[in-house]
Amino acid sequence: NAGVTQTPKFQVLKTGQSMTLQCAQDMNHNSMYWYRQDPGMGLRLIYYSASEGTTDKGEVPNGYNVSRLNKREFSLRLESAAPSQTSVYFCASSQGDYQPQHFGDGTRLSIL
Amino acid sequence: QKEVEQDPGPLSVPEGAIVSLNCTYSNSAFQYFMWYRQYSRKGPELLMYTYSSGNKEDGRFTAQVDKSSKYISLFIRDSQPSDSATYLCAMASNTGNQFYFGTGTSLTVIP
Repeated sequence: NAGVTQTPKFQVLKTGQSMTLQCAQDMNHNSMYWYRQDPGMGLRLIYYSASEGTTDKGEVPNGYNVSRLNKREFSLRLESAAPSQTSVYFCASSQGDYQPQHFGDGTRLSIL
Repeated sequence: QKEVEQDPGPLSVPEGAIVSLNCTYSNSAFQYFMWYRQYSRKGPELLMYTYSSGNKEDGRFTAQVDKSSKYISLFIRDSQPSDSATYLCAMASNTGNQFYFGTGTSLTVIP
């Protein structure tokens, strides 16, 4: 029972490079989320998708773009990576608004 | 002011102790409350989900919500070394689509 799967698990980038973080869920959930987790800051919402075909900005969207490819998959793209984007990125999904969110195990991203 | 405040700890207790973890919040509109457990280098794992005020019990875990004081608690009875982790609280109102997370409390249960 996979739940929420994130790839890759680790990545090192140079400043200015681009990359896409992948997320897929097998729970038939409607809503999906991208968070970043930094020491002392907690989990902060980057973007979310309430349903297939819709996306909305969260608390810290600058420097990121997202795509809800289908009901299962929600990707996060960094177009021009900056050292301030070094973080652990978590994808989550839920059945709907205010429902419990289920998380993947994260992507650890370092930008040099 | 942060939406959610949580003491980062660290908190260290002997095996078998009762643990109390707490969060305070500023938004009186929060209605939905969650507690997560996060092991090192893993994603948060949902422990408890409650709506509005009151208590909820699940095995050794009890969640309490006091909306008048804007204060939530998670109690762990008969704590075990396997409970050693970081505990995150999260909450949301019904006027937005976002859960706000605390920064987490690090707990170590010593055998």
